[in-house]
Amino acid sequence: DQQVKQNSPSLSVQEGRISILNCDYTNSMFDYFLWYKKYPAEGPTFLISISSIKDKNEDGRFTVFLNKSAKHLSLHIVPSQPGDSAVYFCAASGGNAGNMLTFGGGTRLMVKP
Amino acid sequence: GAGVSQSPSNKVTEKGKDVELRCDPISGHTALYWYRQSLGQGLEFLIYFQGNSAPDKSGLPSDRFSAERTGGSVSTLTIQRTQQEDSAVYLCASSLMTGRPYGYTFGSGTRLTVV
Repeated sequence: DQQVKQNSPSLSVQEGRISILNCDYTNSMFDYFLWYKKYPAEGPTFLISISSIKDKNEDGRFTVFLNKSAKHLSLHIVPSQPGDSAVYFCAASGGNAGNMLTFGGGTRLMVKP
Repeated sequence: GAGVSQSPSNKVTEKGKDVELRCDPISGHTALYWYRQSLGQGLEFLIYFQGNSAPDKSGLPSDRFSAERTGGSVSTLTIQRTQQEDSAVYLCASSLMTGRPYGYTFGSGTRLTVV
């Protein structure tokens, strides 16, 4: 039973346009959400996070939106750049003492020049 | 060290052999996590350490998998009698447990191939 789902395995976007990556979750105990970016042969790196008390968090070109009623979050990248091409993982935590993160399956973003 | 270090970076082993994967977390990080990523899959939680103890081993796929952490630092993940389905990238992460917001710092992983 996947508690965090990224239903789009891949996304292709033109350079300069907006990239929107989506994530859905089922566990209502989750109260903190993160996005990680992963390049080939490297470990995932933290990108941006959002607490459940907020509905939006912005950091430069990256914005994460949280819709708690829909149990849905999204990552917006604008403008998209070729260097943003990577696999993006959505992750959630909450309801456990160990800060364990539950990850989605990832979305491969390709930004075309 | 400055980051989470994992060794070896690549490991090819014959089916049935045992392997040990090592993780050296960021100094001072009390929590350590093991995940694995099989081909085309997301990150699958394996085990978590708080200090030297492992409160949650629920993700270990079978009793062929074990892990330990000593001195609140280095951790080893051992896979006995490896099978082809164990082939994956094994990722280690560490974190501080000093309140939110916090996240993991991952190592670059060990790519395990069982032939």
